[in-house]
Amino acid sequence: RKEVEQDPGPFNVPEGATVAFNCTYSNSASQSFFWYRQDCRKEPKLLMSVYSSGNEDGRFTAQLNRASQYISLLIRDSKLSDSATYLCVVIRNGNNRLAFGKGNQVVVIP
Amino acid sequence: EAGVTQFPSHSVIEKGQTVTLRCDPISGHDNLYWYRRVMGKEIKFLLHFVKESKQDESGMPNNRFLAERTGGTYSTLKVQPAELEDSGVYFCASSQDGAGMTGGYNEQFFGPGTRLTVL
Repeated sequence: RKEVEQDPGPFNVPEGATVAFNCTYSNSASQSFFWYRQDCRKEPKLLMSVYSSGNEDGRFTAQLNRASQYISLLIRDSKLSDSATYLCVVIRNGNNRLAFGKGNQVVVIP
Repeated sequence: EAGVTQFPSHSVIEKGQTVTLRCDPISGHDNLYWYRRVMGKEIKFLLHFVKESKQDESGMPNNRFLAERTGGTYSTLKVQPAELEDSGVYFCASSQDGAGMTGGYNEQFFGPGTRLTVL
């Protein structure tokens, strides 16, 4: 079983709409959780960390559900510039190895 | 401040040849990581250096892969001999040492990657 599972999509979203997706992780020892953003043929970049209490950064809201072992990301008022692949990333307790999901591809349509 | 740099950006080689990838981390970053994305799969961890020492090499696929970080600055990843299944994008990342701002995590900054094609 993969450590991080994501439905790759694509998620075609009209500009201005809200899109939400999530990922699940298999290892209950996972300690830290993140969303990374990757533009086409570019490197992954940290979008935001994910906390149990939920956190918001502008139009982006991330949630963590430890009991069900899933992480979600919600993007409000989608912009064309939000088109990218969003990678769910976890770190297991005791090491610095990032474990990636395949990513959710988001395409914002004018 | 310069980010993580990688060289070359692309490499096309034939099966059985040798290729060496280079990564220059952000200045002052003791931690250096190698990751790989094979087509259709997720990005996977290969190994982690702290300065010149290999902290974790559990992700290295086999002994055809050799990573070095002499002097604790730049790192090289050599594939010898290359096989078809080694094709993919090889990313390098670096991070600072010590406890991070967010729950002990020091952000890993990624380089642009080297796209390796083995024919």
